Amino acid sequence: GAGVSQSPRYKVAKRGQDVALRCDPISGHVSLFWYQQALGQGPEFLTYFQNEAQLDKSGLPSDRFFAERPEGSVSTLKIQRTQQEDSAVYLCASSFLGGGAGLSYNEQFFGPGTRLTVL
Amino acid sequence: DQQVKQNSPSLSVQEGRISILNCDYTNSMFDYFLWYKKYPAEGPTFLISISSIKDKNEDGRFTVFLNKSAKHLSLHIVPSQPGDSAVYFCAASERSGYSTLTFGKGTMLLVSP
Repeated sequence: GAGVSQSPRYKVAKRGQDVALRCDPISGHVSLFWYQQALGQGPEFLTYFQNEAQLDKSGLPSDRFFAERPEGSVSTLKIQRTQQEDSAVYLCASSFLGGGAGLSYNEQFFGPGTRLTVL
Repeated sequence: DQQVKQNSPSLSVQEGRISILNCDYTNSMFDYFLWYKKYPAEGPTFLISISSIKDKNEDGRFTVFLNKSAKHLSLHIVPSQPGDSAVYFCAASERSGYSTLTFGKGTMLLVSP
């Protein structure tokens, strides 16, 4: 399909294990966002890419979280030494352009998310 | 501190009636507001938005109202349909940023036949 896809859809990890979550944005979309949604909460911003450049990683909760988008398309969110508090749905979103002063807002299209459960 | 607040975790409405979902925000730098709809096991889907220079935006059965002085917005759905049953998230963005969205916790709407 033409939407944002994420894999795996579900991931169960043992505490201390490393995980990698993949996001395939809509083709041609410049901007890519990662969000974390804990149970009963709204999505919370983690990090933002414009093409291959990671312009904002202020939302990453610790240095165990790492994201990359080396060719400006597919992105991977890696979590090292997972902890139980990392259990959440990880959402990826893409948009054609970013925002910025003077520009109109560009709609973000979300993928279905990866549900991570850390035991 | 939550910058976007949806104080009603759930709302039940009968089919054909109006659904009103409310949202409050605290950050004066927000200048674009959106509503997303989410079904279980799916990502949020954009529904409707409003710029801070407007006080109303309408799209079919959906209307969003913005009261900047009160830092309050609302989503009206009329008439409500059973297929509207979902979680609705209010979100806000600052023009000066990268359009990063700040979300509320969501309101689960149940429309009964």
